[in-house]
Amino acid sequence: AVQLVESGGGLVQPKESLKISCAASGFTFSNAAMYWVRQAPGKGLEWVARIRTKPNNYATYYADSVKGRFTISRDDSKSMVYLQMDNLKTEDTAMYYCTAGQPLAYWGQGTLVTVSS
Amino acid sequence: DIQMTQSPSLLSASVGDRVTLNCKASQNINKNLEWYQQKLGEAPKLLIYYTNNLQTGISSRFSGSGSGTDYTLTISSLQPEDVATYYCYQYNSGFTFGSGTKLEIK
Repeated sequence: AVQLVESGGGLVQPKESLKISCAASGFTFSNAAMYWVRQAPGKGLEWVARIRTKPNNYATYYADSVKGRFTISRDDSKSMVYLQMDNLKTEDTAMYYCTAGQPLAYWGQGTLVTVSS
Repeated sequence: DIQMTQSPSLLSASVGDRVTLNCKASQNINKNLEWYQQKLGEAPKLLIYYTNNLQTGISSRFSGSGSGTDYTLTISSLQPEDVATYYCYQYNSGFTFGSGTKLEIK
């Protein structure tokens, strides 16, 4: 069965950095575009970042709200995708979901990132 | 950037009702639209892809339609387990979720 398991969330102060991870299994990871989607408490879904596959040069795309601060990466040998978050702001507080494919058929259960002083 | 506007934001209906949820794009998205269901405390679940294709394992009560800028998710006979928030999502140009429609049982 397909599994996406996020980890690495926690409480950080504004302007600090945090790296969250997603471990994938049950599908051919190297063939799948990977995404991060977030949801602030009580709010809707917001697409954050996308990374394509090796044949597509691992091209990356970002929401304007995180461009220049967040970096998505992947390690196909480990079936892992990461989100490096720098210069965090209080408005980045959210549940961060890892999701795979097009359409977004597979989702993890999320990891909570709280940015607060 | 493409904006996605969902209406209504809150919908209350009775069990057995036919319900329609709307999603309007700020420009033509060429049917590149998906629908997701999110129940309280859970991750989103894909219901419909490319406007009108039912994801494997999803009840045939759900159907999608639309073209251009206007899209619809229809539940043919509302069931208690359909209580959730529903999001449309476009991937034609960039990636954008709608603000959601919260569906309740009357």
